[in-house]
Amino acid sequence: QVQLVQSGTEVKKPGSSVKVSCKASGGSFRNYAITWVRQAPGQGLEWMGRVIPSLEETNYAQRFQGRVTITADKSTVTSYMELLSLRSEDTAVYYCAREKGYYDYWGQGTLVTVSS
Amino acid sequence: DIQMTQSPSTLSASVGDRVTITCRASQTISNWLAWYQQKPGKAPKVLIYRASSLESGVPSRFSGSGSGTEFTLTISSLQPDDFATYYCQQYHDYSTFGQGTKVEI
Repeated sequence: QVQLVQSGTEVKKPGSSVKVSCKASGGSFRNYAITWVRQAPGQGLEWMGRVIPSLEETNYAQRFQGRVTITADKSTVTSYMELLSLRSEDTAVYYCAREKGYYDYWGQGTLVTVSS
Repeated sequence: DIQMTQSPSTLSASVGDRVTITCRASQTISNWLAWYQQKPGKAPKVLIYRASSLESGVPSRFSGSGSGTEFTLTISSLQPDDFATYYCQQYHDYSTFGQGTKVEI
């Protein structure tokens, strides 16, 4: 059974950066992409981008281009999402998910709060 | 970018009701569409993929249909556990979610 376990809650100052991890157990990254999706309080789901570990390829939503970096470490089966220049609007729960086009396994979510 | 528009935004229903949620894509996405259920404080859970394929373990009261730009999710007989928010997602061109439909009593 695949499990995606994310790192814990973060509280950050505006202008700083955050790096969230997502470790897979019970499976590997082979043949799958890892996607990152965020959800602001009371809002819907927003796709941020993805990494395809086997191809070492990344794709990002246009609105996050230049501010987000998604990586994958195949040796530890862990994906990372780093978001720079944080602002209050980045306060959200950040999810990783295994992608088969659609998302069949999800992490538990990581709350990132941006506040001065 | 492909835009996904769900309707309605909120749906009031009772146990046993047949419920239908619609999702429209701003351009054709063939059948590259999934539906998710999300409960408060939890990650989304996939119900339907490729527009009409039921994910393993999902009750058969959930069904999906459509292709091109128009899609529907139907719950044939609403159960207490089904009160949640539902999202569509296109994966024809990267990924976009609809804005969600909250199913409430």
